[in-house]
Amino acid sequence: QKEVEQNSGPLSVPEGAIASLNCTYSDRGSQSFFWYRQYSGKSPELIMFIYSNGDKEDGRFTAQLNKASQYVSLLIRDSQPSDSATYLCAVNMNRDDKIIFGKGTRLHILP
Amino acid sequence: EAGVTQFPSHSVIEKGQTVTLRCDPISGHDNLYWYRRVMGKEIKFLLHFVKESKQDESGMPNNRFLAERTGGTYSTLKVQPAELEDSGVYFCASSQSVVTEAFFGQGTRLTVV
Repeated sequence: QKEVEQNSGPLSVPEGAIASLNCTYSDRGSQSFFWYRQYSGKSPELIMFIYSNGDKEDGRFTAQLNKASQYVSLLIRDSQPSDSATYLCAVNMNRDDKIIFGKGTRLHILP
Repeated sequence: EAGVTQFPSHSVIEKGQTVTLRCDPISGHDNLYWYRRVMGKEIKFLLHFVKESKQDESGMPNNRFLAERTGGTYSTLKVQPAELEDSGVYFCASSQSVVTEAFFGQGTRLTVV
């Protein structure tokens, strides 16, 4: 099993709908979880950071963490064309403190 | 406050040459990470500094890669001699602690021809 797994997509969502991005991780002791957005040719940009079970909301973005299921998700409400990008899930591995990235999910918001 | 800065933004070198990439982390961030993304692949961890010490260098591809962080401030990543498969975008990130968010530089696009 890969350390951090994401569906590579592309995930196509109509404008105004909710986009749901999922990520699973292998290290049960992992403490910190990040969602980054990366536009083509640009560096990853931090969107959300979560470390407690449950939901964390910031504007149109909600991160959900379930440590028992080793699952973290990102919901984007009222999707906009500008949300079209690759979304990277990153996990701080408990055993060695490094941050590992998933392959990223390409999100395409349909106007 | 300045973010993570990387230099150069682009580098094109011939196979066999040497290239040195530089990363200036956010001031006060003890943790500095190097990552690489080759075309079509995911972002791969290279190594992690805590201050000037290498905490984890398990992701370094081979001994042609040498990273340093003298004084615990900026870091350099030297590739010598460069090979074609070293082409990609090299990202640097820094964080205050290992459990806080890491902020990325804009990356250095390395092309080896």
